[in-house]
Amino acid sequence: GAGVSQSPRYKVTKRGQDVTLRCDPISSHATLYWYQQALGQGPEFLTYFNYEAQPDKSGLPSDRFSAERPEGSISTLTIQRTEQRDSAMYRCASSPNVRVANTGELFFGEGSRLTVL
Amino acid sequence: SQELEQSPQSLIVQEGKNLTINCTSSKTLYGLYWYKQKYGEGLIFLMMLQKGGEEKSHEKITAKLDEKKQQSSLHITASQPSHAGIYLCGADRRVSGNTPLVFGKGTRLSVIA
Repeated sequence: GAGVSQSPRYKVTKRGQDVTLRCDPISSHATLYWYQQALGQGPEFLTYFNYEAQPDKSGLPSDRFSAERPEGSISTLTIQRTEQRDSAMYRCASSPNVRVANTGELFFGEGSRLTVL
Repeated sequence: SQELEQSPQSLIVQEGKNLTINCTSSKTLYGLYWYKQKYGEGLIFLMMLQKGGEEKSHEKITAKLDEKKQQSSLHITASQPSHAGIYLCGADRRVSGNTPLVFGKGTRLSVIA
């Protein structure tokens, strides 16, 4: 697509429910990142993919969080048994190259704002 | 502790005035990136600095990298309402291989007429 697309833009859920967020990166981009951004904070790295491989998931805060990119394009981030502290903006970004420094730019989507009641 | 400290946290300036935002890293920098975030939108890439002493400009925004001080400054000349938003610095931590960017908390800029 023309840009990085995320859905839903807004999600309100009750504590204990599972949620799945979707990211559709720019079609030619090899690398896809997930970030979590709490209010008033900068984005915090969660995980990334090179095509379908997931080399680094060190930022996932707990085993309730998981991400997939099975065909190397669209990715989903799933949060199981949501808790109020999971409330945040979840941002997806893609990059044409494996190494960000090659191009210097991550292309971010508009984010999915999750509110857990 | 925060790897990237941005100052000030927020800034209100009158239209037409100049301003500077700083980003200081507690760890070695291999690359420094500036992004702008507007409400309801994604982060927009402004520029990347990789070498000590490097200076880049994008329209009325200029950024410099002081590698020795592990610090970067972003300077806006003759600010306009369109410059309002949150400015985030990001750092590249590794010499090679893939590396997710680490971001500061951001500086919120308001420009008043």
